[in-house]
Amino acid sequence: EAGVAQSPRYKIIEKRQSVAFWCNPISGHATLYWYQQILGQGPKLLIQFQNNGVVDDSQLPKDRFSAERLKGVDSTLKIQPAKLEDSAVYLCASSVTSGGTDTQYFGPGTRLTVL
Amino acid sequence: EDKVVQSPLSLVVHEGDTVTLNCSYEVTNFRSLLWYKQEKKAPTFLFMLTSSGIEKKSGRLSSILDKKELFSILNITATQTGDSAVYLCAVVSNSGYALNFGKGTSLLVTP
Repeated sequence: EAGVAQSPRYKIIEKRQSVAFWCNPISGHATLYWYQQILGQGPKLLIQFQNNGVVDDSQLPKDRFSAERLKGVDSTLKIQPAKLEDSAVYLCASSVTSGGTDTQYFGPGTRLTVL
Repeated sequence: EDKVVQSPLSLVVHEGDTVTLNCSYEVTNFRSLLWYKQEKKAPTFLFMLTSSGIEKKSGRLSSILDKKELFSILNITATQTGDSAVYLCAVVSNSGYALNFGKGTSLLVTP
């Protein structure tokens, strides 16, 4: 079974530029999550989708971050404009449902460096 | 606000030692607690615990949950250098189902 795919694996940009990340979840997984992991911290949820609907985006900085999952499969996360403090690893995860007892499987992440 | 606290934050042991990692939590409407191992990028799933007192075991790793005292432990026996990683604890509540992570315990196993 293929795992969660993410691209790019690494991205370096200057502050005020924009950047986009892509995630393809495990086939058949209805729920998709984006997490931000700053160095030395545990991952923090940014947004959760159930199919193509948003379940929780309470911790997403909506003035600069946006995410979509138009067809209920792939998802993109965008930052515009980027700030220095956005330097982090962005992890995508998926689970079969959102029932809370389903294991979340993580992709390899995208390491973003903002200069 | 939900809180997950892991201790110690870092640990160095010799191969063959046994280690115990701790995770305490405060969460409204607790549903489950999960342990992940993170070596380079993606956290990989170890255990999910939902009931008190039932030990989950996989090889040299085991974990148990105490819902009365609000903590969990992860034990690793006969440690190997390949166990070196950050071990993350996360809790799930009934209100959102996303993982609320602690900061992790960084384990280094030396030869």
